Amino acid sequence: EAQVTQNPRYLITVTGKKLTVTCSQNMNHEYMSWYRQDPGLGLRQIYYSMNVEVTDKGDVPEGYKVSRKEKRNFPLILESPSPNQTSLYFCASASYEQYFGPGTRLTVT
Amino acid sequence: LAKTTQPISMDSYEGQEVNITCSHNNIATNDYITWYQQFPSQGPRFIIQGYKTKVTNEVASLFIPADRKSSTLSLPRVSLSDTAVYYCLVGLYNFNKFYFGSGTKLNVKP
Repeated sequence: EAQVTQNPRYLITVTGKKLTVTCSQNMNHEYMSWYRQDPGLGLRQIYYSMNVEVTDKGDVPEGYKVSRKEKRNFPLILESPSPNQTSLYFCASASYEQYFGPGTRLTVT
Repeated sequence: LAKTTQPISMDSYEGQEVNITCSHNNIATNDYITWYQQFPSQGPRFIIQGYKTKVTNEVASLFIPADRKSSTLSLPRVSLSDTAVYYCLVGLYNFNKFYFGSGTKLNVKP
């Protein structure tokens, strides 16, 4: 089954404690992307990747890092999380249309 | 990066046709128009994509006028399960940055 998986699905952490949210796709897509969704703000793109070792900033990249060492994986790294990064995060991959993962709900206290 | 404007919300009744219009005045020549549907706490799901004129699939139609500065998603005979947020998206076919906007919350009533 074609899918995008994210882990963890839920995470509560404290300010400053580094964390990584993993994203994996099994469709051999070159394009992958991370979004965050906050009430009233819709989906905002954080980072995207056109292929392995090719990444670029979206609209809200501050406080986030990504890496793309393999085609199937695109982890999102928060080096020093802050409360304003509390949000619902979605990973997506695409060839023609974007396929979204189930989301990761992150709370930073 | 072309930005989009949609109505914040719309109400409809079961069995009616619903048309949601999106404005994208700064659309570029290479941009395609894509619509997504999102249910609460789920990732968006692709509905339909087009470049010009009209596109139809098994769930929706997409109307794009000649100037491409707007587009209309048409959902025939909606049901309660169509209650969701609908996003209009403008971007390059080979993908780079995407701007989702705030979407249109469609509420279908019985």
